[in-house]
Amino acid sequence: GQQLNQSPQSMFIQEGEDVSMNCTSSSIFNTWLWYKQDPGEGPVLLIALYKAGELTSNGRLTAQFGITRKDSFLNISASIPSDVGIYFCAGAPRFGNEKLTFGTGTRLTIIP
Amino acid sequence: SQTIHQWPATLVQPVGSPLSLECTVEGTSNPNLYWYRQAAGRGLQLLFYSVGIGQISSEVPQNLSASRPQDRQFILSSKKLLLSDSGFYLCAWSGTRGRTNEKLFFGSGTQLSVL
Repeated sequence: GQQLNQSPQSMFIQEGEDVSMNCTSSSIFNTWLWYKQDPGEGPVLLIALYKAGELTSNGRLTAQFGITRKDSFLNISASIPSDVGIYFCAGAPRFGNEKLTFGTGTRLTIIP
Repeated sequence: SQTIHQWPATLVQPVGSPLSLECTVEGTSNPNLYWYRQAAGRGLQLLFYSVGIGQISSEVPQNLSASRPQDRQFILSSKKLLLSDSGFYLCAWSGTRGRTNEKLFFGSGTQLSVL
């Protein structure tokens, strides 16, 4: 099956810094999704991407569907304390009977 | 609007006891339903999914089973829990019947501790 490599595994940043994380897949995806999970909660969908090269924003968050269709990127600008959590990428290939594959997550910690 | 309810939020069970976790979705019809498990600090592992009433697909062999007695109800069960069943269990749904490669919407999760 597909494999997703998400990096970095963890990030320690100061409030106000920008954040970048990415996911790469071993095969071509038609859908890229980015989720955020707060402690003890279920993941919440942040951004959905459906076209190669697509750039979509949600407030301070911006995600891009890589041109090769094998990668995606998430940027957070001017981080704030509520950005703390685990960010997951997820992707799916073209065919309807394939399930989403999730990355292993990037844990974001903000240093006071 | 669509909502997903999952309960209980926390559960502590002895080894060998049965398990029943329930998930219901409101505001949509014919959803695809999913059970995921998440070990502490780890990623999401798909356990079961269902594209319709009575239709269950298992992704990994394990001590658990799933059932879908109604269109918007998904139940995760075990007859005898093992220590290794501990984890954070998440129910999720997606919108287009039969298509399992769409965006998922997750419940708030159940933290299961088997002691």
